[in-house]
Amino acid sequence: AQSVTQPDIHITVSEGASLELRCNYSYGATPYLFWYVQSPGQGLQLLLKYFSGDTLVQGIKGFEAEFKRSQSSFNLRKPSVHWSDAAEYFCAVGRQTGANNLFFGTGTRLTVIP
Amino acid sequence: KAGVTQTPRYLIKTRGQQVTLSCSPISGHRSVSWYQQTPGQGLQFLFEYFSETQRNKGNFPGRFSGRQFSNSRSEMNVSTLELGDSALYLCASSWTAGSGYEKLFFGSGTQLSVL
Repeated sequence: AQSVTQPDIHITVSEGASLELRCNYSYGATPYLFWYVQSPGQGLQLLLKYFSGDTLVQGIKGFEAEFKRSQSSFNLRKPSVHWSDAAEYFCAVGRQTGANNLFFGTGTRLTVIP
Repeated sequence: KAGVTQTPRYLIKTRGQQVTLSCSPISGHRSVSWYQQTPGQGLQFLFEYFSETQRNKGNFPGRFSGRQFSNSRSEMNVSTLELGDSALYLCASSWTAGSGYEKLFFGSGTQLSVL
């Protein structure tokens, strides 16, 4: 069965500092992996996705993520955080075929301090 | 292009009542998925509709149902509401269903409170 673990419930970083949000997944085959961001009162916006190929994926808003099969991880990174990045971040895994049903992690809330 | 529109934005119901939520996908999108978001359980998949057919269903009781119309608009219904049904219900649309390649576009959700 698929599952996603985001071990950090809440992270606080200073503006301009680097960021890494952790995500570990469990899936029997090569998964589809996603990172979504949710601002308060809003729906989810896709930051980036990994299906195959290059394990370093570039996304919107300066985010990137690296797929590491040996560690079952798909960590999200940003070299310099902006105050507007404060939000909740969700990692998700999807099956390669079949449906648009994603399994989401419980999310990591990011606070950015000036 | 307009985004995914969910109505109403907020809803307050009492236990035992039923509720219908509406989702209008992005024009041209034929797949609509529904998710429930709660602080305790996070985001959980409810079901997906494509071309008026339910393509996949999550692990929710039969009180949760949905349908999709010929214009791709979708509704979900929850009967006999329970306190635990209080949640943000998110709808997401995409061009196709099941390819895994398609980006999901989420609406802002309907916040349901059950008293």
